[in-house]
Amino acid sequence: NAGVMQNPRHLVRRRGQEARLRCSPMKGHSHVYWYRQLPEEGLKFMVYLQKENIIDESGMPKERFSAEFPKEGPSILRIQQVVRGDSAAYFCASSSQDRASSPLHFGNGTRLTVT
Amino acid sequence: DAKTTQPPSMDCAEGRAANLPCNHSTISGNEYVYWYRQIHSQGPQYIIHGLKNNETNEMASLIITEDRKSSTLILPHATLRDTAVYYCIVRKNSGGSNYKLTFGKGTLLTVNP
Repeated sequence: NAGVMQNPRHLVRRRGQEARLRCSPMKGHSHVYWYRQLPEEGLKFMVYLQKENIIDESGMPKERFSAEFPKEGPSILRIQQVVRGDSAAYFCASSSQDRASSPLHFGNGTRLTVT
Repeated sequence: DAKTTQPPSMDCAEGRAANLPCNHSTISGNEYVYWYRQIHSQGPQYIIHGLKNNETNEMASLIITEDRKSSTLILPHATLRDTAVYYCIVRKNSGGSNYKLTFGKGTLLTVNP
């Protein structure tokens, strides 16, 4: 049973470039969540998506960041014109339902380094 | 969400039981207790969760006090691979935003040979 798959594991971008992070949820899961972990800090919620819908993006910066979860294919977190402060580990999680009794399962993250 | 309090670090001998405490004195009746762990450079790994009753799975046991104000995660036979930061999280059962897990600083469990 494959878990949540994220790629790439490591991504290096120069300031001003775009970063695209991909997440394939666990089989049968239609709820996807993105979290960010800044160096030496805890994980923080960014966005919650269901297929083709953004449910809650309250944790995502208003500019340069966007997320999608198309009908077919992985969820994508896109960061435009990256800055050094975007350097962090980005984790995707998925669940089968949006109930508190349904655990979120996390992938191993994408570590973004902006030079 | 209810706030949780955990010791910053603990040590355990390999092969012994590891008992990780968590205080959540402001928990409300509709909130679950969840435990995750994060091994260095990996994503958070789900361990176990419970509402009122004690729970056990292949990884661990969760003991929740009768008043629900505290809980203990028990790893029955700790191995070196259990060295990780363990997070105790209180999660809403109803209403919006129950997916916004609040990760605190957790407990760094070090299993020694």
